[in-house]
Amino acid sequence: AQTVTQSQPEMSVQEAETVTLSCTYDTSESNYYLFWYKQPPSRQMILVIRQEAYKQQNATENRFSVNFQKAAKSFSLKISDSQLGDTAMYFCAFIIGNEKLTFGTGTRLTIIP
Amino acid sequence: GAVVSQHPSRVICKSGTSVKIECRSLDFQATTMFWYRQFPKKSLMLMATSNEGSKATYEQGVEKDKFLINHASLTLSTLTVTSAHPEDSSFYICSARGTAANYGYTFGSGTRLTVV
Repeated sequence: AQTVTQSQPEMSVQEAETVTLSCTYDTSESNYYLFWYKQPPSRQMILVIRQEAYKQQNATENRFSVNFQKAAKSFSLKISDSQLGDTAMYFCAFIIGNEKLTFGTGTRLTIIP
Repeated sequence: GAVVSQHPSRVICKSGTSVKIECRSLDFQATTMFWYRQFPKKSLMLMATSNEGSKATYEQGVEKDKFLINHASLTLSTLTVTSAHPEDSSFYICSARGTAANYGYTFGSGTRLTVV
């Protein structure tokens, strides 16, 4: 069975600093897709960034970037120049083919003014 | 981009009654929709996979007779919580898969159900 592990239940960082959220996963498949979702206090799930496992280049979306280490099955999220609006729960997730999304347990990130 | 509308956002019902939650894909056709339940400060727990025109597939431990799912069209799936009890109080979220798996899922805004 596929599993996703987020080992940091809570993190906090000062505004404008950089923070990295960790995620590891376990699968025997070679082709899959990885995602980071953000759930702010409104509880709306928002896609932050996605990565195709077959691509070696790390995905980047503005202040958000990932460090994808396929051999290590690691998929960390880096948030640069953190902003107050980044305060949220962050979920790592992945999917294989047309199967269901598998979520991690989440990391609660607080940006301190 | 893909938008999923979920209604109602909040609902309070009396114990023993039923409540229906709707999930609509507004600008794309969703052959598959998913229903999640989320407890406070926890991750999303998949309840069932809803396929248009066929029976839903329920996850282990989810009572299909209590959580009725209907996916009658390519843009609408409904979750009906039947004979609701206080322990059914939770946050329910639907999602729909876009045109390709690598685009992930689009989520509705969720429904907070309170059973009194």
